[in-house]
Amino acid sequence: AQSVTQLGSHVSVSEGALVLLRCNYSSSVPPYLFWYVQYPNQGLQLLLKYTSAATLVKGINGFEAEFKKSETSFHLTKPSAHMSDAAEYFCAVRINTGGFKTIFGAGTRLFVKA
Amino acid sequence: NAGVMQNPRHLVRRRGQEARLRCSPMKGHSHVYWYRQLPEEGLKFMVYLQKENIIDESGMPKERFSAEFPKEGPSILRIQQVVRGDSAAYFCASSPPGDNEQFFGPGTRLTVL
Repeated sequence: AQSVTQLGSHVSVSEGALVLLRCNYSSSVPPYLFWYVQYPNQGLQLLLKYTSAATLVKGINGFEAEFKKSETSFHLTKPSAHMSDAAEYFCAVRINTGGFKTIFGAGTRLFVKA
Repeated sequence: NAGVMQNPRHLVRRRGQEARLRCSPMKGHSHVYWYRQLPEEGLKFMVYLQKENIIDESGMPKERFSAEFPKEGPSILRIQQVVRGDSAAYFCASSPPGDNEQFFGPGTRLTVL
């Protein structure tokens, strides 16, 4: 069965520091992987997606993620955190085997300290 | 091109009443997905529909919940005889045929008193 594990339900960083949000997936077939951001009381906004092209994916707002098949990981990073990055981040996997549902991780809440 | 629309944004119901949540996909999108987000949790898949067809409803509770996506009009998620445990945010997403990216609506926050 496909699943997504996000390590750390809460991550706190100082403004200007590196952001690293961890995501591991399990999949029996090549996955499509996504990172979404959710601000309070809002819907999900796509940050970036991996669809079997380049393993390093660049997204919006300075975020990027690297697909590592050997580690079954898709960690999200940003070199320098901004206060506006404080939000909930969800890693998700969608398996293209004829089933179309997306499996989401439990989420990681990012806090940014001034 | 307007994004995915959901209404109402907030819905309050008393136990035993019915809740109807509406989702209008983006123009050109014929695939609709419904997800539920309980407080402090991630999104859980409920159902995937194409026009007039339910493709995958493996995440739908067996009782009280139903979904439709008619040929004309929005997709409807219907919850009969709501209970307090149904209180959650319900998100709709849409995608065009053959594309893996889903675009999410702002959600409907259901509160059951």
